[in-house]
Amino acid sequence: GAVVSQHPSWVICKSGTSVKIECRSLDFQATTMFWYRQFPKQSLMLMATSNEGSKATYEQGVEKDKFLINHASLTLSTLTVTSAHPEDSSFYICSAREATAGNRPQHFGDGTRLSIL
Amino acid sequence: DAKTTQPTSMDCAEGRAANLPCNHSTISGNEYVYWYRQIHSQGPQYIIHGLKNNETNEMASLIITEDRKSSTLILPHATLRDTAVYYCIVTKDGAGNMLTFGGGTRLMVKP
Repeated sequence: GAVVSQHPSWVICKSGTSVKIECRSLDFQATTMFWYRQFPKQSLMLMATSNEGSKATYEQGVEKDKFLINHASLTLSTLTVTSAHPEDSSFYICSAREATAGNRPQHFGDGTRLSIL
Repeated sequence: DAKTTQPTSMDCAEGRAANLPCNHSTISGNEYVYWYRQIHSQGPQYIIHGLKNNETNEMASLIITEDRKSSTLILPHATLRDTAVYYCIVTKDGAGNMLTFGGGTRLMVKP
């Protein structure tokens, strides 16, 4: 079945550091990938929609200059949290769906737990 | 996308069927019902989806009412590993359509 791989699974770093998270579709191509954020005891909140070869679309309230998204190929999207601060600590999750498939589900990575000290 | 309503939590005895309801009274004709679950500290896992017919796969069954305003996810023989938050999501088809997560139902399977 469709597999989405996310790396790293856990990051701990100092305040002010930039952190890059990778999301790969391992056995399918995805023109669109999605980035979500989840705070403790809350549901997933969509941050942005990543489109291959074009600019990402950000949800209201998400700073595009802080959360840089690059979707340079049909199998890879990256999220870079620039100058991270403790309030950026969260669980970041990506998802993807096959590019040409109709009526197919989205598949999620296992998430990246980001802790900023 | 149509909003969904799910109970906050449910308990189920191990080995018994778990029936998780979802109301989506404002669903439109071209919207699908998707079910995902999230086990603690993991990404959501796809379970099943349907448009109007009942569906079954190796994980679960999905029963959609004739008027499509509600559905039930059935785990036929719940195990302890099925303890998770279950999300019912209604969305249009299309690779570019994101999923909007509500609060879900926290299912606790007990020995």
